[in-house]
Amino acid sequence: QVQLVQSGAEVKKPGASVKVSCKVSGYTLTELSMHWVRQAPGKGLEWMGGFDPEDGETIYAQKFQGRVTMTEDTSTDTAYMELSSLRSEDTAVYYCATGQRASMDVWGQGTTVTVSS
Amino acid sequence: QSVLTQPPSASGTPGQRVTISCSGSSSNIGSNTVNWYQQLPGTAPKLLIYSNNQRPSGVPDRFSGSKSGTSASLAISGLQSEDEADYYCAAWDDSLNGDVVFGGGTKLTVL
Repeated sequence: QVQLVQSGAEVKKPGASVKVSCKVSGYTLTELSMHWVRQAPGKGLEWMGGFDPEDGETIYAQKFQGRVTMTEDTSTDTAYMELSSLRSEDTAVYYCATGQRASMDVWGQGTTVTVSS
Repeated sequence: QSVLTQPPSASGTPGQRVTISCSGSSSNIGSNTVNWYQQLPGTAPKLLIYSNNQRPSGVPDRFSGSKSGTSASLAISGLQSEDEADYYCAAWDDSLNGDVVFGGGTKLTVL
């Protein structure tokens, strides 16, 4: 079965960038559609973007366009999410998850990103 | 403010049946399927219901989903203490370039 293992917690200063990784096992990355979802402390889930197989491309939520980049390294079956120009409101747990559009059936354990001066 | 609207809280006693609603619009629930997630404290979300009313393998049949028009519901029968969690609805939204939209979440308390 698919397993997703994410990189460890990060502490960043405002204005910096963060790159979170998500290592796939049990399947190859090319067989999956990867999404990224974040959750601010005490808040709900927020979709950041993901691969839409119907369009064959990665779609970014409008809120994050220009600031987020999602990439994949198929040689290591690892997906990456990079968020730039960090601000305090970006402090959150970031999850990778696989599935079709809004149906995400496997999730990573989450990566805490703290933005603080 | 979330695109999909859920009540912030719900509660019930063990053995009871509770329902959680999720209201959207024609661009999301009205034209796409609804999914439900359960998030236990300190853990990643878990897919509970997909395609409006389908349960992934391993999800008890106490959990059921339904959809009508631009609204959906999650029902939990035979409520158990371990069902105490946050529940989120989600759907694809056809507006703009497409998005996954979530409800704000409902905290279920088992009294």
